[in-house]
Amino acid sequence: NAGVTQTPKFRILKIGQSMTLQCTQDMNHNYMYWYRQDPGMGLKLIYYSVGAGITDKGEVPNGYNVSRSTTEDFPLRLELAAPSQTSVYFCASRRLAGHLGETQYFGPGTRLLVL
Amino acid sequence: AQTVTQSQPEMSVQEAETVTLSCTYDTSENNYYLFWYKQPPSRQMILVIRQEAYKQQNATENRFSVNFQKAAKSFSLKISDSQLGDTAMYFCAFTLTGANNLFFGTGTRLTVIP
Repeated sequence: NAGVTQTPKFRILKIGQSMTLQCTQDMNHNYMYWYRQDPGMGLKLIYYSVGAGITDKGEVPNGYNVSRSTTEDFPLRLELAAPSQTSVYFCASRRLAGHLGETQYFGPGTRLLVL
Repeated sequence: AQTVTQSQPEMSVQEAETVTLSCTYDTSENNYYLFWYKQPPSRQMILVIRQEAYKQQNATENRFSVNFQKAAKSFSLKISDSQLGDTAMYFCAFTLTGANNLFFGTGTRLTVIP
């Protein structure tokens, strides 16, 4: 299993540009999450999904959109990038229940710089 | 609201020694999970150890163990026989059972000195 994979690893955007951060997991997990980590801080939840076709907002959703058309993929869309969105973005997933339920497994992160 | 506090921004330990990282949390709920994640310079978030609140026994994973004090809402991480590869940021995290938000502390930067 590759676990949770994210692309790209690093990206520079100009103010006002848009982009999609990709996230894929091969563990057949129902739940998927997007977090952002600002310098010197812990992670904050942007959006999450409990299954294909179902998404919901987290703590800091403004400026982002998500979709979940398959169990494996959970892309994060940035529209009209702003300097405040400079951050490291992590995707995570977890199984529905059972052994090790509630444990989130993280991808390697995408570092985004908006100039 | 759920909060997680890590009061030690930075710590250091000599190789082969033992170090304890502190974490406190605040919740009015009774059913929850606590985690310690390690973030090395590669930025990958790696699960170190987890604890179910309903279990009185402290979790252990090889050189890593926790001291879970539910009444005091404290969840410290002990690293024994510290190794150079333990150098990383360590984040304490909390989630309510069945919830979808994992609340993180601000992290403790641990440096293992040769």
